[in-house]
Amino acid sequence: DSGVTQTPKHLITATGQRVTLRCSPRSGDLSVYWYQQSLDQGLQFLIHYYNGEERAKGNILERFSAQQFPDLHSELNLSSLELGDSALYFCASSVGTSGLSYEQYFGPGTRLTVT
Amino acid sequence: DAKTTQPNSMESNEEEPVHLPCNHSTISGTDYIHWYRQLPSQGPEYVIHGLTSNVNNRMASLAIAEDRKSSTLILHRATLRDAAVYYCILRGPKNNNDMRFGAGTRLTVKP
Repeated sequence: DSGVTQTPKHLITATGQRVTLRCSPRSGDLSVYWYQQSLDQGLQFLIHYYNGEERAKGNILERFSAQQFPDLHSELNLSSLELGDSALYFCASSVGTSGLSYEQYFGPGTRLTVT
Repeated sequence: DAKTTQPNSMESNEEEPVHLPCNHSTISGTDYIHWYRQLPSQGPEYVIHGLTSNVNNRMASLAIAEDRKSSTLILHRATLRDAAVYYCILRGPKNNNDMRFGAGTRLTVKP
């Protein structure tokens, strides 16, 4: 158990819909990262927040957005869903933001299926 | 950006040592070498990291070549639970928040 929690575990929705994935970081961690894992693209970094502020963006679509709240939990919002958005979405947390040696702790993931 | 190259798959027998190689010939002096693994149906899990010197922890050892162009993750006694995809990742100042997971090496452990 990494200490990172993600809800829901599974989500099935239709194309065109909007969903929200939630992540609670480990106690004391200020950084939250979101990753997408699909069969054809592998694990891809989406976005990083540190103490409520966006710090880095990866391959995140404009239809996707995220935020980190004052209690440090984070939400990833996916809108206008397409079949290709079906994937595992992982959240990770770490203590800091710029330390190259900080390890990231991953949650169990949310499996999104778009039908 | 520096890239890593790993074999697609490896096999090992239970209770034998496993050496997982990673080539990173374009590594820069400020890049850390990180290893993560992903067990079936789980999120990635941190294994070990290093910069220049060899490193040991309770999970594994990391041997870094003197020229830093390659590294080897060593599992001293493989167990069935070590069957996973192992990722070698370089983290440098430009991408320290953006962990680029390649395809990794799928390790199969035979009883």
